[in-house]
Amino acid sequence: GENVEQHPSTLSVQEGDSAVIKCTYSDSASNYFPWYKQELGKRPQLIIDIRSNVGEKKDQRIAVTLNKTAKHFSLHITETQPEDSAVYFCAASIGNAGNMLTFGGGTRLMVKP
Amino acid sequence: DAGITQSPRYKITETGRQVTLMCHQTWSHSYMFWYRQDLGHGLRLIYYSAAADITDKGEVPDGYVVSRSKTENFPLTLESATRSQTSVYFCASRQTSYEQYFGPGTRLTVT
Repeated sequence: GENVEQHPSTLSVQEGDSAVIKCTYSDSASNYFPWYKQELGKRPQLIIDIRSNVGEKKDQRIAVTLNKTAKHFSLHITETQPEDSAVYFCAASIGNAGNMLTFGGGTRLMVKP
Repeated sequence: DAGITQSPRYKITETGRQVTLMCHQTWSHSYMFWYRQDLGHGLRLIYYSAAADITDKGEVPDGYVVSRSKTENFPLTLESATRSQTSVYFCASRQTSYEQYFGPGTRLTVT
């Protein structure tokens, strides 16, 4: 089955700096790659996603890039703010397999004011 | 987000007891999912359902049973709880789009 690796497991940045979180996946058939943000004690919430026919997608301060050849995708957060502090999860799914998501292990992002 | 709820939100049970976690969604989404979240493991899929009366195993199904007699409900049962099943359990649902919506979670402690 699919295997998703996520790095780093923790990331500390100064407010205003950029943060990058990277994920690799194993199954070349995966075609959907969402990113979820989970604040302490809360449910995961989708912040951005990308499909395999697109190389990059932006939404204000966040962007996701996808390299299908290398089987990796990354989350970029610019101008970080303290409220960006949370755990971020990447995931991958294969469209024909019920869109079951396989999650990475998570990255705890800490933005220092 | 208010469209998917879980109950109870917190549960303490003893080893060997049966416990059922409930998940209810009001969107009439076809797909529903159960995940467990443990430190260091992220979210792992236990079971999922593509429609009423259709369920299938995920990555970690052992020790769990699911049913889906109605589209809106997807209960998860631990037939004989073990300490290794102490975890936070999230239910999720989605329709034809890819996005999954998560419930608020149930924190289960098995003593």
